[in-house]
Amino acid sequence: EPEVTQTPSHQVTQMGQEVILRCVPISNHLYFYWYRQILGQKVEFLVSFYNNEISEKSEIFDDQFSVERPDGSNFTLKIRSTKLEDSAMYFCASTTDLEGPQHFGDGTRLSIL
Amino acid sequence: SQQGEEDPQALSIQEGENATMNCSYKTSINNLQWYRQNSGRGLVHLILIRSNEREKHSGRLRVTLDTSKKSSSLLITASRAADTASYFCATAAYGNKLVFGAGTILRVKS
Repeated sequence: EPEVTQTPSHQVTQMGQEVILRCVPISNHLYFYWYRQILGQKVEFLVSFYNNEISEKSEIFDDQFSVERPDGSNFTLKIRSTKLEDSAMYFCASTTDLEGPQHFGDGTRLSIL
Repeated sequence: SQQGEEDPQALSIQEGENATMNCSYKTSINNLQWYRQNSGRGLVHLILIRSNEREKHSGRLRVTLDTSKKSSSLLITASRAADTASYFCATAAYGNKLVFGAGTILRVKS
């Protein structure tokens, strides 16, 4: 069964550094999402992306964050200048149907030192 | 916030017993979805129920939705040790942005 893949599985970065989290959504999916889960807290929506544009973003998704689909397969989340509070699991998801289930990757654990 | 809370926060049962988890939400929705998360893994979609549906079944899963009470329940029948995981409800309104609850940690003892 096709799946969403995320790399790396764990990223350790110094505060203030830039980080890029990578995702390969399922190939025929059209809608893409990033979520994050701070340890012990709820999964939170960050951003949705369709047709090479951001569809919606949350208050968390400030100017330090950006998303890109640089080619036909990858979907990336960049954090420009990381802060300690950016430490979390980051999940990528994709779907074909705007009213259907989303398919999640296994996440990238981001640790900011 | 669109989402309410799930209860219980944690549930421990014996293999073979049924497990029931509840979820409440606050605003209008298009659909409500349940996901499972095994430790250290991503979220796996279990079942989706639309706002005009009241009950849905999938294998050992039964989901109900009461839009008047803004609540849903997930029943897992004849539980197995492999069902041990965290279970989350997530509501979707316009644009399919998912809003997750805090989750229920289910432990099935063999």
